[in-house]
Amino acid sequence: QVQLVQSGAEVKKPGASVKVSCKASGYTFTSNAMHWVRQAPGQRLEWMGYINGDNDKTRYSQKFQGRVTITKDKSASTVYMEVSSLTSEDTAVYYCARGYYGTGDYWGQGTLVTVSS
Amino acid sequence: DIVMTQSPDSLAVSLGERATINCKSSQSVLYSSNNKNYLAWYQQKPGQPPKLLLYWASTRESGVPDRFSGSGSGTDFTLTISSLQAEDVAVYYCQQYYDTQTFGQGTKLEIK
Repeated sequence: QVQLVQSGAEVKKPGASVKVSCKASGYTFTSNAMHWVRQAPGQRLEWMGYINGDNDKTRYSQKFQGRVTITKDKSASTVYMEVSSLTSEDTAVYYCARGYYGTGDYWGQGTLVTVSS
Repeated sequence: DIVMTQSPDSLAVSLGERATINCKSSQSVLYSSNNKNYLAWYQQKPGQPPKLLLYWASTRESGVPDRFSGSGSGTDFTLTISSLQAEDVAVYYCQQYYDTQTFGQGTKLEIK
């Protein structure tokens, strides 16, 4: 069965960076893109970007362009999402989601990133 | 960015009754070359990730009960739950994937 398992919760200081991982299993890793979506407390879901499954092409939301980097390690079936220059407004649950016609059909369990001084 | 607006923000429906949630996009999400609406619906329960219910506006994801249905085209869409069950209590989001992805603000569905 398809599973996406994300890394654990993080607490970071303002100005720091965070890197969240998403390990995929149960399907051919290169067949699907992987999206990243975040949800700040009480806010709507917010798409951040994606990486193609069969190459390293990425696309980012304009809001996060230059501050977010998505990479992958095919040998480990793992996708990474790094956010730099963190502020308190980046406090959120971060999800990876397997791409399916542009939607997300399977989601990771979420990773809480807390930014606090 | 395409802005997605849902109505209402919250909704209370009796068990067994119909629940209807609306979603409006700031521009059409209908791709003329394939006549598909790039619109999806998700269900999110507390402490859980979103679950895909419908895509192409009306195609039910595998395993989703047939009491969930979607309709609409262009800029106006509806999610209908034909007979509300207790397990349907959740927040529902619409999402456009015509141009990257954006989500509606969510509709909280409760039991009356």
